[in-house]
Amino acid sequence: QVQLVQSGAEVKKPGASAKVSCKASGYSFTSYYIHWVRQAPGQGLEWMGIINCNSGSTSYAQKFQGRVTMTRDTSTSTVYMELSSLRSEDTAVYYCARGFPVFPGDFWGQGTLVTVSS
Amino acid sequence: EIVLTQSPGTLSLSPGERATLSCRANQSVSSSYLAWYQQKPGQAPRLLIYGASSRATGIPDRFSGSGSGTDFTLTISRLEPEDFAVYHCQQHGSSPHTFGQGTKLEIK
Repeated sequence: QVQLVQSGAEVKKPGASAKVSCKASGYSFTSYYIHWVRQAPGQGLEWMGIINCNSGSTSYAQKFQGRVTMTRDTSTSTVYMELSSLRSEDTAVYYCARGFPVFPGDFWGQGTLVTVSS
Repeated sequence: EIVLTQSPGTLSLSPGERATLSCRANQSVSSSYLAWYQQKPGQAPRLLIYGASSRATGIPDRFSGSGSGTDFTLTISRLEPEDFAVYHCQQHGSSPHTFGQGTKLEIK
């Protein structure tokens, strides 16, 4: 069965970086893309970007350009999302989801809470 | 970027009733690339509908999507107790893949 398992919760100080992992199983990893979406406490969903798990090419929402880096490791079927220069407004649950550039996330990870606090 | 506005913000209905949720875009959504998700507290979103009207795998047929251009609708024909949740729309045709702010469907 398709599974996306994310890394555990993190607490970071303002200005630091957070790196969240998303390990895929149950399907052909390089045949799909992975979306990253975040949700601040009590708020709606926000799309951050997408990575091609085959080529590694990425497309980021302009809001996150320069602060987000998405990478993948095909040997372990794992995708990583690193967000730098963290501020309190980045406190959110971060989700990975399987999809394509014009197809939404059909399977989602369980989410990773990143808390930014001094 | 495309801005999606969902209405109403909260919808109070009883089990067995019909629910109609709206999602309106500030510009045309290309190729009707509009998705709907259901989200329950503490859980990840669950894909219900993609391409405006195609049900995702395993989604009951009481869920249906319609619309094109700038106006889209999610209809739940007969509410079951497990359907009370927050519903999000998302356009997945152009970057960034923006979401609406959500509609909370609560038990009356």
